[in-house]
Amino acid sequence: AIRMTQSPSSFSASTGDRVTITCRASQGISSYLAWYQQKPGKAPKLLIYAASTLQSGVPSRFSGSGSGTDFTLTISCLQSEDFATYYCQQYYSYPLYTFGQGTKLEIK
Amino acid sequence: QVQLVQSGAEVKKPGASVKVSCKASGYTFTSYDINWVRQATGQGLEWMGWMNPNSGNTGYAQKFQGRVTMTRNTSISTAYMELSSLRSEDTAVYYCARSVDGEYYFDYWGQGTLVTVSS
Repeated sequence: AIRMTQSPSSFSASTGDRVTITCRASQGISSYLAWYQQKPGKAPKLLIYAASTLQSGVPSRFSGSGSGTDFTLTISCLQSEDFATYYCQQYYSYPLYTFGQGTKLEIK
Repeated sequence: QVQLVQSGAEVKKPGASVKVSCKASGYTFTSYDINWVRQATGQGLEWMGWMNPNSGNTGYAQKFQGRVTMTRNTSISTAYMELSSLRSEDTAVYYCARSVDGEYYFDYWGQGTLVTVSS
């Protein structure tokens, strides 16, 4: 199975900050990578797919980049509603689509 | 608007089975695959498998092979996930999620169903 490793696992930031979360795949996955945001007690929400394509309705302060094994999610100007847990997911390797362990973004 | 509405919480004993439903609305049910993803409390996300509502074809993660069955009733636009031989480690929130055009990322999710396995 392809292992997805996110870093950091958690960190604190302030509104207005620019933040970057990293996701590394244990083998190449081309651009078959999605990012999700999850708030407590809620289902995950799709932010980005194909590594860099913004899902409809997602604010443009979210962006994704990367291909192969290394990927990043960037939030350009943190808003209060962005404090949540973020997951990456590879959908390259059937039949096991794996998620990263999550990155919890907290208010400083 | 697209919605996936799941059945309510369940409490089961070890060794029992559970069947969770996922009712779709706001789109053509047979045009998108339905996936199931689970999340133990405080843990990450784990993909379990997919089902094509048009053909009924399924694919399961190896971990769940032999214990999970995904089915559908197209007349009521509802997908089902049944997990058997439950153990305490199966205690989790189970989500259904729609995937797009054979690309297995998930654009719409159900609200989740908590399944608790306890003696």
